Amino acid sequence: NAGVTQTPKFQVLKTGQSMTLQCAQDMNHNSMYWYRQDPGMGLRLIYYSASEGTTDKGEVPNGYNVSRLNKREFSLRLESAAPSQTSVYFCASNPLGGFGADTQYFGPGTRLTVL
Amino acid sequence: AQTVTQSQPEMSVQEAETVTLSCTYDTSESDYYLFWYKQPPSRQMILVIRQEAYKQQNATENRFSVNFQKAAKSFSLKISDSQLGDAAMYFCAYMGSNYQLIWGAGTKLIIKP
Repeated sequence: NAGVTQTPKFQVLKTGQSMTLQCAQDMNHNSMYWYRQDPGMGLRLIYYSASEGTTDKGEVPNGYNVSRLNKREFSLRLESAAPSQTSVYFCASNPLGGFGADTQYFGPGTRLTVL
Repeated sequence: AQTVTQSQPEMSVQEAETVTLSCTYDTSESDYYLFWYKQPPSRQMILVIRQEAYKQQNATENRFSVNFQKAAKSFSLKISDSQLGDAAMYFCAYMGSNYQLIWGAGTKLIIKP
């Protein structure tokens, strides 16, 4: 049981390049989330998926797209990376509706630098 | 909109002593959850303790306990017998009816040996 996994752990991009951050969970959770964490700030929600087949915008969605590929996987895509997207990205999941539905479980994070 | 405020950017404590981290929040909801997460240098976000707003009893987890004051919208974390491994960023977070987490800016906890 690996919990929430994210790939890659580190990535450096040039302005204008695109990339996809991958997230997978093996806990059969319904809801999945993408956050970004900037220095001196708490996490901010980019997008979330309350259940398979649905996605919704969070607080800071501009410049990002997401795909809930299946119940396990939730990817985050940067179509044209900008220096303002330099951040640490976290994926999380929670059961939603079951025991412990309120607790989110986090992946190890991806440190992204855009030059 | 809900907000979470951590007014202490940094705190330090002597090893084996007790420290309290502050958190206040603003909401119009009556049912919600509050959390403290720990983020060590490894970056992993680790749940420390959670509190359900409808429970009057303060949550405890070993050396970690909270002082939940619902009317004052205050949710402080007390760490007893501080250990070197407690050094980390601590984040307070709120979850309301939409199951989205709202985060404070964090408090850096330094443990002095």
